[in-house]
Amino acid sequence: QQQVKQSPQSLIVQKGGISIINCAYENTAFDYFPWYQQFPGKGPALLIAIRPDVSEKKEGRFTISFNKSAKQFSLHIMDSQPGDSATYFCAASMFSGNTGKLIFGQGTTLQVKP
Amino acid sequence: DGGITQSPKYLFRKEGQNVTLSCEQNLNHDAMYWYRQDPGQGLRLIYYSQIVNDFQKGDIAEGYSVSREKKESFPLTVTSAQKNPTAFYLCASRAPAGANQPQHFGDGTRLSIL
Repeated sequence: QQQVKQSPQSLIVQKGGISIINCAYENTAFDYFPWYQQFPGKGPALLIAIRPDVSEKKEGRFTISFNKSAKQFSLHIMDSQPGDSATYFCAASMFSGNTGKLIFGQGTTLQVKP
Repeated sequence: DGGITQSPKYLFRKEGQNVTLSCEQNLNHDAMYWYRQDPGQGLRLIYYSQIVNDFQKGDIAEGYSVSREKKESFPLTVTSAQKNPTAFYLCASRAPAGANQPQHFGDGTRLSIL
């Protein structure tokens, strides 16, 4: 019940294309869903996050789509660029809880070809 | 600049040796976390601390120990009981629950066995 399942494990996209990464969860108590971007040798950095009271959140080229009934959420990267090549992690937590513990997906390695 | 500093960047451990990884933050955050990252897996929580002089085990605490004597510091000791210590270790911090803030990560320490 605490797992977050992420797919695909790796993704290759042409420059200008759309990258889509999917995540699914079981615990309906989760109420905060962030996405992190990680470059080699660096720590993850928060990219965008969503709460379940909205179905979509957009920040620049990055959009989270959230389907509460299906317990799924996805990251869309529009007009993908070579600089977007990184590992992406979805996560979930009970944000309003007093621990802030994050449950991470397994990660997706994205390669954007020029 | 406020942030999280992890040191050293690379660390080598001999058989039977304990090693300590440093994590310092100047963000004035109450909560701090230690994660382990292995290839093809998400981040797994080792220990977390919500306040000075208090900490809790995460999902994979065996073979590790922590202390939280100061708000800004949360060192992790990898003991000789941890038989597979080779991994990338990440420290994170977060403002108190209700502050509507996500976890911020340091740039990690890569630990290898000699």
